[in-house]
Amino acid sequence: AQSVTQLDSQVPVFEEAPVELRCNYSSSVSVYLFWYVQYPNQGLQLLLKYLSGSTLVKGINGFEAEFNKSQTSFHLRKPSVHISDTAEYFCAVTPHRGSQGNLIFGKGTKLSVKP
Amino acid sequence: ETGVTQTPRHLVMGMTNKKSLKCEQHLGHNAMYWYKQSAKKPLELMFVYNFKEQTENNSVPSRFSPECPNSSHLFLHLHTLQPEDSALYLCASSQSNQPQHFGDGTRLSIL
Repeated sequence: AQSVTQLDSQVPVFEEAPVELRCNYSSSVSVYLFWYVQYPNQGLQLLLKYLSGSTLVKGINGFEAEFNKSQTSFHLRKPSVHISDTAEYFCAVTPHRGSQGNLIFGKGTKLSVKP
Repeated sequence: ETGVTQTPRHLVMGMTNKKSLKCEQHLGHNAMYWYKQSAKKPLELMFVYNFKEQTENNSVPSRFSPECPNSSHLFLHLHTLQPEDSALYLCASSQSNQPQHFGDGTRLSIL
């Protein structure tokens, strides 16, 4: 079985500051990893994904994440945030075997960007 | 436009009512999903359909009944719900092993 832990439920940050949202996972098998963003009153939108290859993955809106297998982490980063980045961010995993339908989500991190 | 459309966006119903949530995807995907999103809880996968066949049912109570008449449409029929069923219900679709695309959800409130 897999599980995902997002260590921070809320992260307040000032505009133009860097941000890191932490994600750790637990799995006995290899997994694919994802970050989704949810803006108010909307569904989830894929930010980026790690399937294989380079451990540094770049996504939309200037976000990137780094897969660290030894630490079982997939932290999300952005060097300079905007007000419009205020949203909830979800880390998710799915085992290599089987379809990517069986996503296991973390509880989410609410990013609040202040002017 | 996400390509996945859910209706209605908001629904208020009593515990004895029967209602249905609708999801439609215009992306040509072959898999569709229902999730429940409650406050302070991780997203819970409820049902998965691949090529119109149900392949996953995560111990969901029988008061939730899914229906997938074709690869583009997914319904969630609701009856005799409980107050704890109040939540945001999200639909998603995907093609084979590609990431899922989500709709904007239906906010359900049970009186």
